[in-house]
Amino acid sequence: GAGVSQSPSNKVTEKGKDVELRCDPISGHTALYWYRQSLGQGLEFLIYFQGNSAPDKSGLPSDRFSAERTGGSVSTLTIQRTQQEDSAVYLCASSLAVDGWASPRAQQVVGANVLTFGAGSRLTVL
Amino acid sequence: AQSVTQLDSHVSVSEGTPVLLRCNYSSSYSPSLFWYVQHPNKGLQLLLKYTSAATLVKGINGFEAEFKKSETSFHLTKPSAHMSDAAEYFCVVKPTGNQFYFGTGTSLTVIP
Repeated sequence: GAGVSQSPSNKVTEKGKDVELRCDPISGHTALYWYRQSLGQGLEFLIYFQGNSAPDKSGLPSDRFSAERTGGSVSTLTIQRTQQEDSAVYLCASSLAVDGWASPRAQQVVGANVLTFGAGSRLTVL
Repeated sequence: AQSVTQLDSHVSVSEGTPVLLRCNYSSSYSPSLFWYVQHPNKGLQLLLKYTSAATLVKGINGFEAEFKKSETSFHLTKPSAHMSDAAEYFCVVKPTGNQFYFGTGTSLTVIP
């Protein structure tokens, strides 16, 4: 698609319920990232995908959080047994990952090695 | 190890006066550097990026940033603030891999 699309834009749930957040990256973007932004805070890294694999899951706050990416495209972030502290805006970004050894021309392709963000999914846990 | 330090959590300027948002980084390699802006209740938007070309980078909305390797800094500037510049600004460093490291953000207030 033309941009990074996230759904739902807003989700209100009760404590203890599971939620799924979806991210549809820009077509052709190989890398996909999930971040969390709590009220008035900076961005907290959650997980990063290169293709369908996740080289870095270090930011997932607990085993209640999981994410997958299928077909090198859409990603789903799942939060099980939600807690009130999970309330935040969950941001997805995608990037066309170009290796540092690639030609300067390749590295100047629009979107190369630059994060493009979606509008976010606002999660409220009551 | 990589890190990004935004030296000011809040900056307040009068409309029409210069803006300076400070960012220092540490990286073992020659990184790519970025500034992103987030307006209230909006997503993050790329302002500008440095990727080892010219050290003075021009971005959107009149912003620019200068990469100073000796000082490991990448400060964001604008000659004349506009009310619409009020937002949160994030400095980001990307070493040679695919991971991006965000600063904690600087909130810019523009006083009419």
